[in-house]
Amino acid sequence: QVQLQESGPGLVKPSETLSLTCTVSGGSVSSDTFYWSWIRQPPGKGLEWIGYIYYTGSTNYNPSLKSRVTISVDRSKNQFSLKLTSVTAADTAMYYCARDSVVVPTDYGMDVWGQGTTVTVSS
Amino acid sequence: DIQMTQSPTSLSASVGDRVTITCRASQSISIYLHWYQQKPGKAPKILIYAASSLQSGVPSRFSGSGSGTDFTLTISSLQPEDFATYYCQQSYSTPRTFGQGTKVEIK
Repeated sequence: QVQLQESGPGLVKPSETLSLTCTVSGGSVSSDTFYWSWIRQPPGKGLEWIGYIYYTGSTNYNPSLKSRVTISVDRSKNQFSLKLTSVTAADTAMYYCARDSVVVPTDYGMDVWGQGTTVTVSS
Repeated sequence: DIQMTQSPTSLSASVGDRVTITCRASQSISIYLHWYQQKPGKAPKILIYAASSLQSGVPSRFSGSGSGTDFTLTISSLQPEDFATYYCQQSYSTPRTFGQGTKVEIK
């Protein structure tokens, strides 16, 4: 079955760039029926959608983060990545990657999630 | 953005109880509504997609209903493994948005 695995530094300094990668196994980022998403969850709080990418490279970002976010896809490595610039303590969170459904014809929601990776922003 | 409001924020219930969680959208979202369960330290897991369809492998005691702006997640007979936080999420439009969560605790 499809599995997702996040990787990247667990500690980032304020004002620097957070970079994470999600590796997809058992499936392909080149599928035309899925979006590949990033979601985060600050400690003790709820879930916030960061954005997603389609295999073509088309992206959609949360307006609240749009000026700082870039999501990219590497089809040769079967990975997609997140970059968040100019981080502050408010960006400290668990970061998840997830597979999201393109509505054709049924919307299956975010049906596969990575285990998550904790990112702390601190000097 | 579409705002998703869950109620209650938390509840206490006993094993065997029937539990109902509601989710209201700030505008009509048809059936583009999904429910997730999250246990401490774990990633969310989808339970219900498209408002009322049970995800494969999820016990039948979970059910979802609703369309438009009002949705419900029901657990027909609460089991010990069901104590968790539950989130609704809309996929009608971007940005995708989640409810604030409902924590189901042991009474």
